[in-house]
Amino acid sequence: QVQLQQSGPGLEKPSQTLSLTCAISGDSVSTYRAAWNWVRLSPSRGLEWLGRTYYRSKWFSDYSVSVKGRITINPDTSKNQFSLQLNSVTPEDTAVYYCARLFGNPPYFDYWGQGSLVTVSS
Amino acid sequence: QSVLTQPPSASGTPGQRVSISCSGSTSNIGGNTVTWYQHLPGTAPKLLIYPNNQRPSGVPDRFSGSKSGTSASLAISGLQSEDEADYYCAAWDDSLHGYLFGTGTKVTVL
Repeated sequence: QVQLQQSGPGLEKPSQTLSLTCAISGDSVSTYRAAWNWVRLSPSRGLEWLGRTYYRSKWFSDYSVSVKGRITINPDTSKNQFSLQLNSVTPEDTAVYYCARLFGNPPYFDYWGQGSLVTVSS
Repeated sequence: QSVLTQPPSASGTPGQRVSISCSGSTSNIGGNTVTWYQHLPGTAPKLLIYPNNQRPSGVPDRFSGSKSGTSASLAISGLQSEDEADYYCAAWDDSLHGYLFGTGTKVTVL
């Protein structure tokens, strides 16, 4: 059974960097069978895919055009987890953030973290 | 279009059939598989329909998916009160090189 446990601050000031971590149990961040994603949910934008990281002989990352240039998703093989960093946040980045596993061929999001409400406010 | 468009709301009485559409383009639905997710407030989204319109274990067969061209649909037959939730379609977009979620549909059981 795969479990994803999220952690990180729930409040950030405008222009600061949002940082969240997703710890994986029951699978490996380095697996060839999956990709590790961040998705957010807000009333104004609904569900929005932010990006992913995955290992296929080397590490790859893909990012949504909506946050490209501000986002970094990094794996941490020593702790079997991956992280999200979103720079220069504004109140528009206020949302519930989820980590999720993308698995299968064709792929689907099958396991999700519990969600983290992050509020951007001064 | 670089967006998956769903109706904002749908409703029905218990036992009725409700259908939710998801309209995209050749770069997403037209060339890739579609998945569907159910979201209840305060919980994580739940996989409802796999690619190729299969259901994960535990999802009732009242839920079914279909795809034709650049559109997809989710049908809920025999609507039940616990089906009241938000529903999202999703597909990879080749032009954006990223995943798209639909705009979401709130299903209300009257």
